[in-house]
Amino acid sequence: GENVEQHPSTLSVQEGDSAVIKCTYSDSASNYFPWYKQELGKGPQLIIDIRSNVGEKKDQRIAVTLNKTAKHFSLHITETQPEDSAVYFCAASGRISGGSYIPTFGRGTSLIVHP
Amino acid sequence: GAVVSQHPSRVICKSGTSVKIECRSLDFQATTMFWYRQFPKQSLMLMATSNEGSKATYEQGVEKDKFLINHASLTLSTLTVTSAHPEDSSFYICSARDRETQYFGPGTRLLVL
Repeated sequence: GENVEQHPSTLSVQEGDSAVIKCTYSDSASNYFPWYKQELGKGPQLIIDIRSNVGEKKDQRIAVTLNKTAKHFSLHITETQPEDSAVYFCAASGRISGGSYIPTFGRGTSLIVHP
Repeated sequence: GAVVSQHPSRVICKSGTSVKIECRSLDFQATTMFWYRQFPKQSLMLMATSNEGSKATYEQGVEKDKFLINHASLTLSTLTVTSAHPEDSSFYICSARDRETQYFGPGTRLLVL
């Protein structure tokens, strides 16, 4: 089955710096890669996603890149702000269960942005 | 993005009682809903996948008789924790699929005394 590795587990940056979180996946059949932001005590919120026919996608300060050959995808946050502090999860969607494709999640990255 | 609600947000119960958690997709119809469990500072652990009108598919190691899932309509799925015990205390999160994208509810914090 699919295996998703996420690094780093913790990332501490100064406000205004950039933050990069990297994930690798194992199943070459995976074709959908969402990123979620989870604040303390809340459910994960989808912040950006990318499909396998695209190499890069950007939404304001957030961008995601995908290298299908190397099975890598990354989240880039520029000009970080304290409110970006949260746990970020990557996921790769390729496994089928109960007739549905379901995502396999990484273990999460705790991003801390210091003012 | 799509909105998924979950109720209650927090529940405290005595050991041996049953607790029902509701998950609703508010502005879309979800043929597939998912239930996750999350321990502190850990990732999301998929418990089961439920398709509207059919039985849920449980992940390995999840007791189907303990965690009853019902997906009676395209906008509502329920998770019932039967005969809850302290070890069932956790953060339970549902999600609903809209086409390819999963949207998560805000989660339910369950504390069993």
